[in-house]
Amino acid sequence: DAKTTQPNSMESNEEEPVHLPCNHSTISGTDYIHWYRQLPSQGPEYVIHGLTSNVNNRMASLAIAEDRKSSTLILHRATLRDAAVYYCIPASDTGANSKLTFGKGITLSVRP
Amino acid sequence: GAVVSQHPSWVICKSGTSVKIECRSLDFQATTMFWYRQFPKQSLMLMATSNEGSKATYEQGVEKDKFLINHASLTLSTLTVTSAHPEDSSFYICSAPGRTSGRTDTQYFGPGTRLTVL
Repeated sequence: DAKTTQPNSMESNEEEPVHLPCNHSTISGTDYIHWYRQLPSQGPEYVIHGLTSNVNNRMASLAIAEDRKSSTLILHRATLRDAAVYYCIPASDTGANSKLTFGKGITLSVRP
Repeated sequence: GAVVSQHPSWVICKSGTSVKIECRSLDFQATTMFWYRQFPKQSLMLMATSNEGSKATYEQGVEKDKFLINHASLTLSTLTVTSAHPEDSSFYICSAPGRTSGRTDTQYFGPGTRLTVL
């Protein structure tokens, strides 16, 4: 499994953009980069994933470095509800049937 | 989107008893489900892969005789913690592959079951 490195924590102000980085320098050429988040006392939820191109959905944007050794999850306008632990996870295929290896993640705090 | 439920959401039991946790895919079928465990302030650790109609695959270091997994139907997997001890107290979470409304294949996680063994 590819190792990931994320800062332990980040803080943001409400309604401001947040950029959450992740290094995955040992990622294989076929692994997708998945982001999940876990709100307090809940199971994780899918946020976004991508392979090479940047991706956008209603929750966030994912910017993937050209060499794929790092990626950044972008929350365009943070809300209090976005306070959670965010995990970046390299996984084979689309991740649906893959075993997901969770690292420590990054704890995002959002200030009102 | 797809929904995965778990029952119970929390349970307190005495040391030495067995506890069964259910994981259901509510509006889709799942031939594979995953079971994770999460201790306080730590990340999720995969325990086993549950396969419908066949034996579960356990991760290294997970005792298969202690954590019994049964995936008897396409919508239900159960995890039984046998002879539970205080060190088994944890947050148990299951997941199942599904498809989002945007037609993205991903994993859906249940809300978790908090087990406290006295």
